[in-house]
Amino acid sequence: SAVISQKPSRDICQRGTSLTIQCQVDSQVTMMFWYRQQPGQSLTLIATANQGSEATYESGFVIDKFPISRPNLTFSTLTVSNMSPEDSSIYLCSVIQGEVNEQYFGPGTRLTVT
Amino acid sequence: GESVGLHLPTLSVQEGDNSIINCAYSNSASDYFIWYKQESGKGPQFIIDIRSNMDKRQGQRVTVLLNKTVKHLSLQIAATQPGDSAVYFCAETPGGYNKLIFGAGTRLAVHP
Repeated sequence: SAVISQKPSRDICQRGTSLTIQCQVDSQVTMMFWYRQQPGQSLTLIATANQGSEATYESGFVIDKFPISRPNLTFSTLTVSNMSPEDSSIYLCSVIQGEVNEQYFGPGTRLTVT
Repeated sequence: GESVGLHLPTLSVQEGDNSIINCAYSNSASDYFIWYKQESGKGPQFIIDIRSNMDKRQGQRVTVLLNKTVKHLSLQIAATQPGDSAVYFCAETPGGYNKLIFGAGTRLAVHP
């Protein structure tokens, strides 16, 4: 299975600022995803990070708020822009390696906005 | 570290008992159904999956049952151990897509 790392592991940020989260995979993967997990809740897909093209966002998420980069097949970034306390969540990246059901997750980035 | 699943329903079991975690899914056209385990401070970890053309699949100490008639999925854990304590999520993949749609989650608490 793919080994996924995320940076930072956690951060406390002031409202109005932006934070960029990095996701690094130890092997080349075609599909990478970004999820949000709000406190005490399940995971919600933010977007699919497409290599070489713009990310595909889910309903309720927009590029201006969550810009995503995917410069190659092993790396992606998610930026949380103009943060508010409602953005306090765990942000997780995931990858598919093989079949769609073989989806692996990074450890998450725990963001607190004050 | 920050805990996940603070407000999720909790299933409490005694060590050695069998656990059954249930999930209702939403899309009758989903291809795959997957169970994930999430321990505190970690990302979800794949446990077992089942395709939509099956109704039962067994792994090591785990069994997943799929009832498409009522859109219900269950995870059975045999001889539950303290290490099984975690939050469990079911997920489905809508037909033709690679994304996962997660269910609400259940916290499993195993008592000695």
